[in-house]
Amino acid sequence: GQNIDQPTEMTATEGAIVQINCTYQTSGFNGLFWYQQHAGEAPTFLSYNVLDGLEEKGRFSSFLSRSKGYSYLLLKELQMKDSASYLCAVRDSNYQLIWGAGTKLIIKP
Amino acid sequence: IAGITQAPTSQILAAGRRMTLRCTQDMRHNAMYWYRQDLGLGLRLIHYSNTAGTTGKGEVPDGYSVSRANTDDFPLTLASAVPSQTSVYFCASSKTNTGELFFGEGSRLTVL
Repeated sequence: GQNIDQPTEMTATEGAIVQINCTYQTSGFNGLFWYQQHAGEAPTFLSYNVLDGLEEKGRFSSFLSRSKGYSYLLLKELQMKDSASYLCAVRDSNYQLIWGAGTKLIIKP
Repeated sequence: IAGITQAPTSQILAAGRRMTLRCTQDMRHNAMYWYRQDLGLGLRLIHYSNTAGTTGKGEVPDGYSVSRANTDDFPLTLASAVPSQTSVYFCASSKTNTGELFFGEGSRLTVL
């Protein structure tokens, strides 16, 4: 079966750095997405990786290793507004998105 | 720019009733999707449409139907609601079936 694993919850301190991991087992691979979802709101797009390596976008970076079935989202200089759930999703061989359950990130002052 | 609009934002429904959740996008995206989101679970695809006039079944299609008469609209119908369909429903669209998804604000449905 297809599976996306992420930690359920993480806690970090304002101003610090946090890494949210995602491992996947899917039938084929056509890209990996990270989305941010604040409580009670819609998911919003953060990043997309299709090739191995690091993609940097401001305070957020996303890394992919296709051979290991592994990705992480790195958030730097954490702000209180970064408190949200972070969703990892993989596009499989049929171009369908398989979603992880999300990681709830709690930022403490 | 509205993006994707869903209606209603919230609804309480008696079991056995018929319900249609509306979704409209103004981005001229080809692909549209309906997901449900339940606590502790990832987003699960109900139905999708890669282009106007075509639809497909997702992971959890039973009890739901969709239509795609034009590019902009993608309504989701529950023919006879059951309590297990209590969930938050998100409509999404993408330019193609390989692109990033843009989500509506969600419709919270409670079936009693």
